[in-house]
Formats: sequence, C-alpha cells, structure tokens
Amino acid sequence: AQTVTQSQPEMSVQEAETVTLSCTYDTSESDYYLFWYKQPPSRQMILVIRQEAYKQQNATENRFSVNFQKAAKSFSLKISDSQLGDAAMYFCAYRTGSSGTYKYIFGTGTRLKVLA
Amino acid sequence: DGGITQSPKYLFRKEGQNVTLSCEQNLNHDAMYWYRQDPGQGLRLIYYSQIVNDFQKGDIAEGYSVSREKKESFPLTVTSAQKNPTAFYLCATSFRGANVLTFGAGSRLTVL
Repeated sequence: AQTVTQSQPEMSVQEAETVTLSCTYDTSESDYYLFWYKQPPSRQMILVIRQEAYKQQNATENRFSVNFQKAAKSFSLKISDSQLGDAAMYFCAYRTGSSGTYKYIFGTGTRLKVLA
Repeated sequence: DGGITQSPKYLFRKEGQNVTLSCEQNLNHDAMYWYRQDPGQGLRLIYYSQIVNDFQKGDIAEGYSVSREKKESFPLTVTSAQKNPTAFYLCATSFRGANVLTFGAGSRLTVL
C-alpha cells in the first residue's frame, strides 16, 4: 500500500527567508500525482502545487517550488521569500489508482510558523 | 457560486446517537471523498465514490456509512459504532481527469 511520510511535525522560518518542507512516499506505481496542500487557521484546504510523476521538470507556482526526486521517492516543498500569510499546516499528498478509481493519501502534516 | 457545501459547520452529539454530515457540490464533479482529520494524524480516508450508486471503503470506514444517490450529494453517517467520533470531517471532490481534490470547509463533530 502507498504511504506518505512527513517527518517534520513543525518548522519555523524568518519572514523573507526560505524554508524547505520534506515529504517521502512509498509506491510501486510508475504513474501518479503528488501534491502539497496548505491548511491555514481557517482550516480550508488549499492546493499549493501539483507534480505529475512522468514529468521530470519540477513544478513551480510563484514563490513555491518542489524538488521531485522520483528514484528516491522524495517530494520536498520550497517556500521562498516567506510571508506571514504562509503560516499554516502543510500536507503532502499522493494520488493513487488507475482506471478512474483514484485515492488520495495524505501525510501527517508539517506546521509552519513564520517569524516576523 | 460553484462550490462544496458542508453542513453543519459544528455539531454536538451524545454518545450512542447516529449523526449525518451533509456534503453537497454544484461543481459537476464525478468523484467525492470523506476524510477525517485528527491532530497529528493528517487526513485519513473514510469513504469515496467515483459514480452514483457506487462507493468504496477507505482506510478507516468502520463505524461510518455513506450513500451516493445523486451526483451532487454524498452524506456521511457517523454511527454509534464509531468509538472515537470527535474529529474534523472534510468532504472533497474531483473532476474526472483533473487530478486534483477540491475541499469543502469542513464539519467539526464533538461527542459529549
């Protein structure tokens, strides 16, 4: 069964600095999707970034980028120029399945604190 | 406005009572999911449904039941068999081929 592991329960970063959140996963599939979701204090889940496994190029969305290492099954999120609004829980997720029967599996989350 | 509506936002239940959480969407998404969120445990999948009148158990289905009679609706019943029902429950949807989950605002269930 596929698993997603986030080994950092909590991280802190100074405003305007860069922080990297780690995620590893376990799978035997060759084609899949990986995600980072943000959950601010409102608890609304927001998609930050998505990576397709068959694409070697790392995904980027403004200040957010990923380092996708398929062989190592690693998918880290880099936040550049951190802002106070980035403070939230961050969840790494994996989409498994084929033939239209998809499951999304989430890690346990990393709480990011941004220090002014 | 298109979106996912979860209700109620907060719900209190006495032990031994069943309770139903509502999830309605007008996004015309095919798949719907229910997750449970507990501190330190992330999101755990309860049930999911790809099409009407069909659904599959997730990783923690015991003590829960669902139905999918309409494409727009996927209610979750928390039964008295669920030992620790106090949690935050999230409903999510996905459009076929979109490969991304869209979430509702969640429902907080507290058992007294």
